[in-house]
Amino acid sequence: DVKVTQSSRYLVKRTGEKVFLECVQDMDHENMFWYRQDPGLGLRLIYFSYDVKMKEKGDIPEGYSVSREKKERFSLILESASTNQTSMYLCASTSQEVPYNEQFFGPGTRLTVL
Amino acid sequence: GESVGLHLPTLSVQEGDNSIINCAYSNSASDYFIWYKQESGKGPQFIIDIRSNMDKRQGQRVTVLLNKTVKHLSLQIAATQPGDSAVYFCAEVYNFNKFYFGSGTKLNVKP
Repeated sequence: DVKVTQSSRYLVKRTGEKVFLECVQDMDHENMFWYRQDPGLGLRLIYFSYDVKMKEKGDIPEGYSVSREKKERFSLILESASTNQTSMYLCASTSQEVPYNEQFFGPGTRLTVL
Repeated sequence: GESVGLHLPTLSVQEGDNSIINCAYSNSASDYFIWYKQESGKGPQFIIDIRSNMDKRQGQRVTVLLNKTVKHLSLQIAATQPGDSAVYFCAEVYNFNKFYFGSGTKLNVKP
């Protein structure tokens, strides 16, 4: 039962390239999130969106942008990829209904920037 | 961001023993806490959560304890199995949409 999918599991890009990471959820969730995961640092929030066309910066938004044109889809964009953006990227979604207590995660995209 | 950390980065236990994974947090205004399990090559998976007005919550083979006095959270896994081997994260949630994760503890279960 597929819930959150990400467009690629592994991606290799060159410095300066524009990179698109796509995330789709099939649970009709309002909230969607993009994190990056690095060893020893845990998950750090890049951006999140609580509605279509709405977005808020997380803790580390620099170098990233996002797009939420449809409720089920949340895209992360690296305008000009750099080597320090090599990381595991995780997408997640939650419902806004209370009580909600679970973030559903995608399988992750491991991005390498050369 | 808020500080959510773990005391031990790696924990090795014998199959059948109980495991205890610890987590410290710093934000007293959190709404609830979550434990996640992340297996190699997969995204984190929800295990159990606990509201900030609770001290204890039990699930299937897992128990979460919350000590608000010392801002400490623990996950207890009973009769640990090889399939429990994974990285475990605690997460602190406030405003119902702000999630802050610890760096994780790797649990190794020895047969």
